[in-house]
Amino acid sequence: GENVEQHPSTLSVQEGDSAVIKCTYSDSASNYFPWYKQELGKGPQLIIDIRSNVGEKKDQRIAVTLNKTAKHFSLHITETQPEDSAVYFCAASRLSGGYQKVTFGTGTKLQVIP
Amino acid sequence: SAVISQKPSRDICQRGTSLTIQCQVDSQVTMMFWYRQQPGQSLTLIATANQGSEATYESGFVIDKFPISRPNLTFSTLTVSNMSPEDSSIYLCSTTDSHNEKLFFGSGTQLSVL
Repeated sequence: GENVEQHPSTLSVQEGDSAVIKCTYSDSASNYFPWYKQELGKGPQLIIDIRSNVGEKKDQRIAVTLNKTAKHFSLHITETQPEDSAVYFCAASRLSGGYQKVTFGTGTKLQVIP
Repeated sequence: SAVISQKPSRDICQRGTSLTIQCQVDSQVTMMFWYRQQPGQSLTLIATANQGSEATYESGFVIDKFPISRPNLTFSTLTVSNMSPEDSSIYLCSTTDSHNEKLFFGSGTQLSVL
């Protein structure tokens, strides 16, 4: 089955700096890669996603890159703010039995220091 | 995206008892999913629930321990039976968008078993 590794497990940055979280996956059939932000006491929230036919996608301060050949993808947050502090999960997804089967990474706890 | 409501939001239970978690979606959806998130861990799929059929359980999860109901296209329940402290986790309900691609989550149920 799919295996998703995520690094680092914790990340502290100064407000205004950039944060980068990296993930690798093992199943070449995975074709959809979402990223989730989970704040304390809340469910994961989809913040950005990328499909396998795209190399990069940007949404304001957040960008995701995908290297299909190397099977890795990354989340980039620029100009970090204290409200970016949360746990971030990457995921790799493939079509299986009529729906997307999603495998999550182990999470990165991001702390933005004011 | 669908709005997913879960209740209870948290509960503290005695070992040996059972708890039923309810999940309500604001629109009709084909697939609903139940995830477990153990303390400080990633998300693990428990089962997939389709309306009108038996839930499909992932490896390591059984119906006797986690019975699921899916009586209609907007509602599902997950019961955690005969609880032990090892069942202390966040339980999350989720569903997909109309393309069966993007996964959306409820706010979760924080369960503590004493």
